Amino acid sequence: GQNIDQPTEMTATEGAIVQINCTYQTSGFNGLFWYQQHAGEAPTFLSYNVLDGLEEKGRFSSFLSRSKGYSYLLLKELQMKDSASYLCAVRDSGNTPLVFGKGTRLSVIA
Amino acid sequence: GAGVSQSPRYKVAKRGQDVALRCDPISGHVSLFWYQQALGQGPEFLTYFQNEAQLDKSGLPSDRFFAERPEGSVSTLKIQRTQQEDSAVYLCASSTRAATQGWYFGPGTRLTVT
Repeated sequence: GQNIDQPTEMTATEGAIVQINCTYQTSGFNGLFWYQQHAGEAPTFLSYNVLDGLEEKGRFSSFLSRSKGYSYLLLKELQMKDSASYLCAVRDSGNTPLVFGKGTRLSVIA
Repeated sequence: GAGVSQSPRYKVAKRGQDVALRCDPISGHVSLFWYQQALGQGPEFLTYFQNEAQLDKSGLPSDRFFAERPEGSVSTLKIQRTQQEDSAVYLCASSTRAATQGWYFGPGTRLTVT
């Protein structure tokens, strides 16, 4: 089967750094995606990792270790607008449907 | 259009009614996916199309759910004899075949069955 785990909730302070972890067990692997979803809105694409290592994009970075079945999303210089759910999703082959975790609800406080 | 659009944005149906939810993907996107998202949960896969071919419908929860994409662009998700447990946000996403830039989600249709 396929299983994706991420923490349910996290709280962090404005200006700080937060790391959201994701572990996965899937039958195959063809990429891991991170999405941001504000309440009542559609998920928006943040990052894509298919090879091991760190991908940096502005304040957001995503890391992948395929051997460990592990990824994290790193958010730096947190802003209040970063309060949202962060969804980890894995694709097991080709462009087959993504399997999503339940999401991590991040609250940024002053 | 510039992005994926869905209509209606909100739908209230009485239990037992049939509903049809529409998705207009980004022009030229080959792949189209339907997901169901309950409150506070991640999206759950329903079905997907590559052009007009429905390649996987293993996520459809019952035979009351039916999806089509007859001309390989617009797709419709139909739910017959709606039940209260069908209340959720229905998300549509489209992508190119390789999807290395991620999928693009529509705003969703929030279905409430009373």
